[in-house]
Amino acid sequence: NAGVTQTPKFQVLKTGQSMTLQCAQDMNHEYMSWYRQDPGMGLRLIHYSVGAGITDQGEVPNGYNVSRSTTEDFPLRLLSAAPSQTSVYFCASSYSENLRETEAFFGQGTRLTVV
Amino acid sequence: AQSVTQPDIHITVSEGASLELRCNYSYGATPYLFWYVQSPGQGLQLLLKYFSGDTLVQGIKGFEAEFKRSQSSFNLRKPSVHWSDAAEYFCAVNTGNQFYFGTGTSLTVIP
Repeated sequence: NAGVTQTPKFQVLKTGQSMTLQCAQDMNHEYMSWYRQDPGMGLRLIHYSVGAGITDQGEVPNGYNVSRSTTEDFPLRLLSAAPSQTSVYFCASSYSENLRETEAFFGQGTRLTVV
Repeated sequence: AQSVTQPDIHITVSEGASLELRCNYSYGATPYLFWYVQSPGQGLQLLLKYFSGDTLVQGIKGFEAEFKRSQSSFNLRKPSVHWSDAAEYFCAVNTGNQFYFGTGTSLTVIP
């Protein structure tokens, strides 16, 4: 059982480049989300989705786009990378029923460096 | 506004010693609380969670946590730490739309 799979694990971008971080889950979870982790700041929510075709912004959405065309996949797009987007990115998914009681399952993370 | 505070950025304990990691939360409704552990270069793994019932909850790897509503706290404990427990620990509250995480406590275990 793969759980939540993120690709790539590491990426270096130049300022202004665009890229897509991939996230896929095989647990049939309706809820998926993206977080960024920065030293001393914990994890902060970028975007989330409660089902295919539905997305919403989190705490730090600027500079990122998402879409949810299938239940399994939730890609995160950086439109024009900036050094401030250097971070570790985590994708997570949860069962949608009783969301507040539900744990989040996390991917292994993508370490992104923007130079 | 909801928030989670972990006052200790870094803790060092000797192997075999007891451990307590502090967590305070601010949330208007009934809190749904979680502790996650992150080993270096890895994702987050759930240790335990609380949302009702007995205020002392047991988790994996010998960890437990106690919910104290009067103190708005959800502290994580382990009676005897193992070297493999060295990691970063995150407390979180789940509001239904998202998790709010604390800034984490880094645990070092010395032999």
